[in-house]
Amino acid sequence: DVQLVESGGGLVQPGGSLRLSCAASGFTFSSYEMNWVRQAPGKGLEWVSYISYSGSTIYYADSVKGRFTISRDNAKNSLYLQMNSLRAEDTAVYYCAREMTTSYFDSWGQGTLVTVSS
Amino acid sequence: QLVLTQSPSASASLGASVKLTCTLSSGHSNFAIAWHQQQPEKGPRYLMKLNNDGSHSKGDGIPDRFSGSISGADRYLTISSLQSEDEADYYCQTWGTGRVFGGGTKLTVL
Repeated sequence: DVQLVESGGGLVQPGGSLRLSCAASGFTFSSYEMNWVRQAPGKGLEWVSYISYSGSTIYYADSVKGRFTISRDNAKNSLYLQMNSLRAEDTAVYYCAREMTTSYFDSWGQGTLVTVSS
Repeated sequence: QLVLTQSPSASASLGASVKLTCTLSSGHSNFAIAWHQQQPEKGPRYLMKLNNDGSHSKGDGIPDRFSGSISGADRYLTISSLQSEDEADYYCQTWGTGRVFGGGTKLTVL
């Protein structure tokens, strides 16, 4: 079975940093594009970032560009999100999502909560 | 700009059918989309991909009660024989350079 397990969330002060991880299993990780999606409390889903199979192509939402960095380690079957200069509005549950051939998300993790507060 | 528009809420009675709508922005009416379900306090779940010819492919284990259709720039998710567990938020999603979500529709089963 496909499994995506996020970790690394927690409480961080404004201006701080946090690194999220997503451990993938049950499929050939290097054969899939991956994304991070977030959901602020009581709000809808917001796409955050995309990374291609090898990591050669990366996209970011305007709201996080210049502050967040997506990366992957195919040898470790892992996806990462380095979040710097965090703001209160970055408070959300962060999900990793597997993407099918440059189109839709077909598998989701259970999410990890990031709270930015002093 | 690629935008998906959904009604914020919908309701229907137990056992009835409901049709949720996702509208693609002008100039993007030929885009395919995907539908995702998010039950309360859970992560999202992929339901189906809806192609621009109206065909759809569902995720593993998605019941036949869930189906998709299209009309122009509108993409639909129809849920028949509504059950209590269908009460959830439903999101449409598409893709361009970035990836885009609609604002979601909260479905209440009466």
